[in-house]
Amino acid sequence: DSGVTQTPKHLITATGQRVTLRCSPRSGDLSVYWYQQSLDQGLQFLIQYYNGEERAKGNILERFSAQQFPDLHSELNLSSLELGDSALYFCASSVAGGKNTDTQYFGPGTRLTVL
Amino acid sequence: DQQVKQNSPSLSVQEGRISILNCDYTNSMFDYFLWYKKYPAEGPTFLISISSIKDKNEDGRFTVFLNKSAKHLSLHIVPSQPGDSAVYFCAVRGAGSYQLTFGKGTKLSVIP
Repeated sequence: DSGVTQTPKHLITATGQRVTLRCSPRSGDLSVYWYQQSLDQGLQFLIQYYNGEERAKGNILERFSAQQFPDLHSELNLSSLELGDSALYFCASSVAGGKNTDTQYFGPGTRLTVL
Repeated sequence: DQQVKQNSPSLSVQEGRISILNCDYTNSMFDYFLWYKKYPAEGPTFLISISSIKDKNEDGRFTVFLNKSAKHLSLHIVPSQPGDSAVYFCAVRGAGSYQLTFGKGTKLSVIP
């Protein structure tokens, strides 16, 4: 158990809908990262928050957004969902800002299925 | 264009033998390298890492080797155990960067 929790575990929804994925980092970790893993793909970095502020952005679509709250939990919002958004979404957390030897610890993921 | 390549999608090894997983990267500015292990229905678990100032790091049965001139990273597992059967991802981070870039993974099967 990495200490990172994600809810829900599974989510099934229809095209055009909007969903929210939730992540609670390990106790004491200030950074939260979101990754997407599609079929046959490696993990693709989406976005990072550090202590409530956006720190880095990767391949995140404009239909997707995220935020980190004062209690350091984070939410990833996916809107106008398309079939291609079906994937595993992982959250990771780390102690510090992410540079140098800061290690990221991953949650169990949320499996999103868009029908 | 893939910056991190794991060219073997799968690998089978007998229990007790050595498992060698390989990873190639394209950018010489990457300075921190990690291996993660992933079981089905779980998130990736951090295994071992190495910074660019070293060429080897060992932790129990796991050793990571870094060949900067060849831009090549490898993970050695000795001896391999059935519980090591999982998908292994290598990940890299650039100097001054926050994000990790992952390979597509290699599925290791350790046969009893």
